Amino acid sequence: DGGITQSPKYLFRKEGQNVTLSCEQNLNHDAMYWYRQDPGQGLRLIYYSQIVNDFQKGDIAEGYSVSREKKESFPLTVTSAQKNPTAFYLCASSIGAGVYNEQFFGPGTRLTVL
Amino acid sequence: AQSVTQLGSHVSVSEGALVLLRCNYSSSVPPYLFWYVQYPNQGLQLLLKYTSAATLVKGINGFEAEFKKSETSFHLTKPSAHMSDAAEYFCAVSEGRDDKIIFGKGTRLHILP
Repeated sequence: DGGITQSPKYLFRKEGQNVTLSCEQNLNHDAMYWYRQDPGQGLRLIYYSQIVNDFQKGDIAEGYSVSREKKESFPLTVTSAQKNPTAFYLCASSIGAGVYNEQFFGPGTRLTVL
Repeated sequence: AQSVTQLGSHVSVSEGALVLLRCNYSSSVPPYLFWYVQYPNQGLQLLLKYTSAATLVKGINGFEAEFKKSETSFHLTKPSAHMSDAAEYFCAVSEGRDDKIIFGKGTRLHILP
């Protein structure tokens, strides 16, 4: 089955710790995205990548970092610099650049800072 | 710059009644428009999308939406609500630049028995 997987589903972190959220897709999509979702605020774009070894900041990149070393993987690191990291994180992918294509979403990771 | 406004953060309808979720957009070029649904603690699933082929778009689960350029609207409707329709719904717009999609803040649909 083709799709997007995110792990873990639930993640707990102590203040001051970095944590990495996994996102993998086997859809052969070029573009991948990370969103943060908070109640009543919709989805806010953190980072996106249109191609391997390249990525751009979204609207709320501060305190986050990403890498795109493989086409199928786009991990997100939430660093200790992110002041309010507790949220639901969604990864998505789409076919590629310059095309009006919908995004496909993973099941999400809920991060809680203790 | 493109943007999306969803009117009503919460909408309640009775089971069997018409569902109407409102979405207005702003775009400098002909947009592509999407409706997504999210069930609790899950990712988003595409309901339907408008890509300029037809103004009335039919999606999954009996939902449809009509693109009205003069009103800059893309409202989502379903003739008869079912309990399983209870979820959060997101309208989104794309101008095709940088693959970015702009999402509305969402409307939570409650179905009353």
